[in-house]
Amino acid sequence: GAVVSQHPSRVICKSGTSVKIECRSLDFQATTMFWYRQFPKQSLMLMATSNEGSKATYEQGVEKDKFLINHASLTLSTLTVTSAHPEDSSFYICSASQGREETQYFGPGTRLLVL
Amino acid sequence: QKEVEQNSGPLSVPEGAIASLNCTYSDRGSQSFFWYRQYSGKSPELIMFIYSNGDKEDGRFTAQLNKASQYVSLLIRDSQPSDSATYLCAVKGSGYSTLTFGKGTMLLVSP
Repeated sequence: GAVVSQHPSRVICKSGTSVKIECRSLDFQATTMFWYRQFPKQSLMLMATSNEGSKATYEQGVEKDKFLINHASLTLSTLTVTSAHPEDSSFYICSASQGREETQYFGPGTRLLVL
Repeated sequence: QKEVEQNSGPLSVPEGAIASLNCTYSDRGSQSFFWYRQYSGKSPELIMFIYSNGDKEDGRFTAQLNKASQYVSLLIRDSQPSDSATYLCAVKGSGYSTLTFGKGTMLLVSP
C-alpha cells in the first residue's frame, strides 16, 4: 500500500516553455501532498504544501507564479513549471501523506532538463 | 528555526556489521520521527517511523528515540552492500504537516 506515482519520469524542454508534472496517490486518499526539489548532491528542499481544494502554501523563496500547484482531488496534485529556464533543471519529487502520523510517501520523481 | 542534524559521512562498514546512523533535532516539541533511504538518482523511500521514546524494531532495522536528548538513531543489523545509500532523518513537529529533513548520511557497506 501507500504507492505514489509521478508522470513524467523525465522531461526535456526548451527554455521558455511550461512543463506539467502529475503526482497521484494510487491506493489511498492523501490528506496533503508536498512538492520538493533536489539539486545534485544536495538535500531535499520543500517547495510547497498542497491540500485538496485549497491554495498551496509555498516555502519562502519559492515563486508561486512560476511554480503553479493544482490539487483538484484527494489523489491528484499537479506542479506546472511556467516559463522554464535552465536553472529550473532539477529533480522534482512529490509526496503524499496519510495516517495519524501523516507519514509521507514519495513518488519516484521527475527529472527536468531545460535546454 | 527547526533544524535536523546528521553527519554527512560517508559511514563505511563491512558486510555483516551493524551500521549506526544518528540524528539530532532542535525543536523540542517534535512529535514524529522518520527514517528514509535514498539511493543515488532515486527518490526517498520510507524505512520506518517512531514517535515514542525507546526502540522500535522492523526486521534488520531498529529506530531509537530519546526525546530528552533530542536524539534519534537508526541501527541496521547484518548490513548488506545493497544497504549502501543515503539515509535521511526527518522530523515532524506537533501541529505541523511538513517534515524537516536532515541532509542525510551516506552509508557504504563493503563486501
